[in-house]
This record gives sequence, C-alpha cells and structure tokens, in this order.
Amino acid sequence: EAGVAQSPRYKIIEKRQSVAFWCNPISGHATLYWYQQILGQGPKLLIQFQNNGVVDDSQLPKDRFSAERLKGVDSTLKIQPAKLEDSAVYLCASSKEQSNTEAFFGQGTRLTVV
Amino acid sequence: AQKVTQAQTEISVVEKEDVTLDCVYETRDTTYYLFWYKQPPSGELVFLIRRNSFDEQNEISGRYSWNFQKSTSSFNFTITASQVVDSAVYFCALSEGDFNKFYFGSGTKLNVKP
Repeated sequence: EAGVAQSPRYKIIEKRQSVAFWCNPISGHATLYWYQQILGQGPKLLIQFQNNGVVDDSQLPKDRFSAERLKGVDSTLKIQPAKLEDSAVYLCASSKEQSNTEAFFGQGTRLTVV
Repeated sequence: AQKVTQAQTEISVVEKEDVTLDCVYETRDTTYYLFWYKQPPSGELVFLIRRNSFDEQNEISGRYSWNFQKSTSSFNFTITASQVVDSAVYFCALSEGDFNKFYFGSGTKLNVKP
C-alpha cells in the first residue's frame, strides 16, 4: 500500500513569509499527526487529528501556525508569518485507529527560514 | 520532565560489533505502549517494534532484540553483529492515554564503520 505522502520535500523562505505543507495519509487511517523535528532533536507533536476533528493541538503555536484536515483525509499545515526558529523538518504521520497503534511517517518537508 | 530519555547522543561501533541503545521512560499510566523507530539519512521514520505495558517478554527479530523491564522503566534495543546499513538515528517513543499521543526521545545516532 502507498505510504504517507508529503509535499514539498524542501522549502526555503524568508522570515515573515508564509508557507504551507501538504500531507496525504495512508488510506483508511483515521488519525493524522503533524510533528516538528528540529535538527538533533526528536519529533515534537504539533497537532493530532482524529478524522477531521482536532484531538490535541496544545503545542501548536496558534498565533502563527494553523492546520486543517478537511473531509478527514488530506491535511495542510500553514505557517504565517515564519520565524527563523521555525527552520525544521515537518513530519506528517498517520495511524489506523486511536488505540496505541504504530504511526507511519512521511519523508517530511525540510523548511529553511532565512 | 522528559517522558522518554535516550541518554546516548551518539554511538560509534565497528561492523560486526553488538550495540545496545538505551531508553528510559516515565509514565503514571498502567496501560501504555513503547516503540522504536529508525531514521536513516533519507529522513523518514521507520517503525521497528511496538510493545504494550503488559507484555514484558523480550523479543528478537533477526539481528534486533528488545529488552523491556518495567521495574527499571527501560526498553533497550540491541543490534547484534551490526552492519553499515544500521547507521541511522534511532528513536524510542512512548504512547499513553486514550488518544495515541506519541512522546519521542531525543534519539541516538548510531555510526557503524566498516
């Protein structure tokens, strides 16, 4: 089966610009995650969806980050305006159901803010 | 407080050596799950194993083995007869609660030299 698809793979923007990332989870996976991974660190959860509802967005900087999952399938993550410290890899993952199953990850989008 | 601690930042071994990656976790839940993921240079996180808190039986899969000890809150990962292809960053993760929220450690970078 096809894995988690993300685009773009790389993005370079100037600070204060906006950027959007797209994720298509594995077919049939109800749970979708967005993680931020800063170089040398482990992934940090930004937001978690169950179908098209938000389960957890406690670590999402809501003044500049937003995410949506329309129709409970694809998702987009937006940053506006970007800051230098947003430079990171943004990983999307999906899992079959809520009950502690493994999550499958996409290849990520590497964002560089200059 | 860190929920998952991987104290080893980087380990270097020579091919065919055995290597153990340490993972210590913290949770108050009685039901939880532990995971190991591999992140090769390509960036995608690859699922390796999932264990639940009620199953302390050690597991072996080829050259990989996992030692889960609730008494010490540890879930260590051993690679036997390491190979250059094992070079990657390895993450330990904890999932607890009702919503399959993952907490990742900071990762251990494994360098296997020929």
